[in-house]
Amino acid sequence: KQEVTQIPAALSVPEGENLVLNCSFTDSAIYNLQWFRQDPGKGLTSLLLIQSSQREQTSGRLNASLDKSSGRSTLYIAASQPGDSATYLCAVKGNQFYFGTGTSLTVIP
Amino acid sequence: DAGVIQSPRHEVTEMGQEVTLRCKPISGHDYLFWYRQTMMRGLELLIYFNNNVPIDDSGMPEDRFSAKMPNASFSTLKIQPSEPRDSAVYFCASSLGQGTTNEKLLFGSGTQLSVL
Repeated sequence: KQEVTQIPAALSVPEGENLVLNCSFTDSAIYNLQWFRQDPGKGLTSLLLIQSSQREQTSGRLNASLDKSSGRSTLYIAASQPGDSATYLCAVKGNQFYFGTGTSLTVIP
Repeated sequence: DAGVIQSPRHEVTEMGQEVTLRCKPISGHDYLFWYRQTMMRGLELLIYFNNNVPIDDSGMPEDRFSAKMPNASFSTLKIQPSEPRDSAVYFCASSLGQGTTNEKLLFGSGTQLSVL
């Protein structure tokens, strides 16, 4: 069974800092990887989807990379803002989507 | 489109009662997923449908759980009888299809279930 790990579980940074969130998975036979954002008491919002044939995707201040062979993905957030505070989850698609447990990000004004 | 719509947002019930959660997927989406989220186990897939047909229900915890999708715009997840360990947030999600960006998952706001 696919295991998805996100480290660290929590991260606190000052506003304006660039940061990287990590996601690792055990089975490299995936179709795609998605990054989501979850605000307290809310559902998940899709941020980026990377196909297995792609190396990275960008949306605004967000850049996600994928290295299938090593079973890793990173989400880079540039010039962090307090509004970026949320939990970030990654999910890998094999026969179904397998979710990590998330990284709780706090951006301090 | 209003997105994936779930109801109710909160449900508090007593052990042994029947609970029905509802979901309206995004129009035109062929896939519908039911997930459960807890602090201990994170997000778990319970069941998913393709064109209203259940494809994989291996995540359904036990016979107390059942799900239906009578048409393309409506699905229910039923728990009967409910137990305190069923307390969790239940999410419905839908996607357009398979392959490329069609697999982008769009989630509803969830139903917070508390079984006393």
